[in-house]
Amino acid sequence: DAKTTQPPSMDCAEGRAANLPCNHSTISGNEYVYWYRQIHSQGPQYIIHGLKNNETNEMASLIITEDRKSSTLILPHATLRDTAVYYCIVRVGGNAGNMLTFGGGTRLMVKP
Amino acid sequence: GAGVSQTPSNKVTEKGKYVELRCDPISGHTALYWYRQSLGQGPEFLIYFQGTGAADDSGLPNDRFFAVRPEGSVSTLKIQRTERGDSAVYLCASSFTSGGYNEQFFGPGTRLTVL
Repeated sequence: DAKTTQPPSMDCAEGRAANLPCNHSTISGNEYVYWYRQIHSQGPQYIIHGLKNNETNEMASLIITEDRKSSTLILPHATLRDTAVYYCIVRVGGNAGNMLTFGGGTRLMVKP
Repeated sequence: GAGVSQTPSNKVTEKGKYVELRCDPISGHTALYWYRQSLGQGPEFLIYFQGTGAADDSGLPNDRFFAVRPEGSVSTLKIQRTERGDSAVYLCASSFTSGGYNEQFFGPGTRLTVL
């Protein structure tokens, strides 16, 4: 799977939008962008995924650039409970995609 | 509904001992994954089961590590002759099927400490 690059840490004020960037310049055409997060002392939790169109669910929005070389995860109104490590992962879709390859992630600290 | 459960939550053992870590996946999930997470790092893939068979064990670090899933549900990760470097959180995940469209649901992990 292609590798991703994320800033190691970010701060965000409670109630404001948190925008977490990810670079995946070597992504292949059949690779999806996935985001997981890991709250302290818990297992990772799926947030959202997309191929090339922007996606939104109850947790977040995912914006993927037209060339697919980067993406941004948006938490529209961050709360203290959103403090976690956020992992951006690219992964082959369909039956060929199995394990998740985690990088270092971005440690998001939401501050009151 | 019940999520992925792992037992024990914590395991302390001595160097050279044998340990077993258990994972109960979500009912009906055919794919099961084991990952290992060292302090300050992201999880690293160890092995993946589709049903009863290990479909990919390329992440197992050496032959001291072995995992089974005899009935296609519960899985056990077995570590022989433990070493201090094996200390980590061992995470289990399951998904409805294998493949990149399927969300993996993670358990809380087992924290293994080898003294």
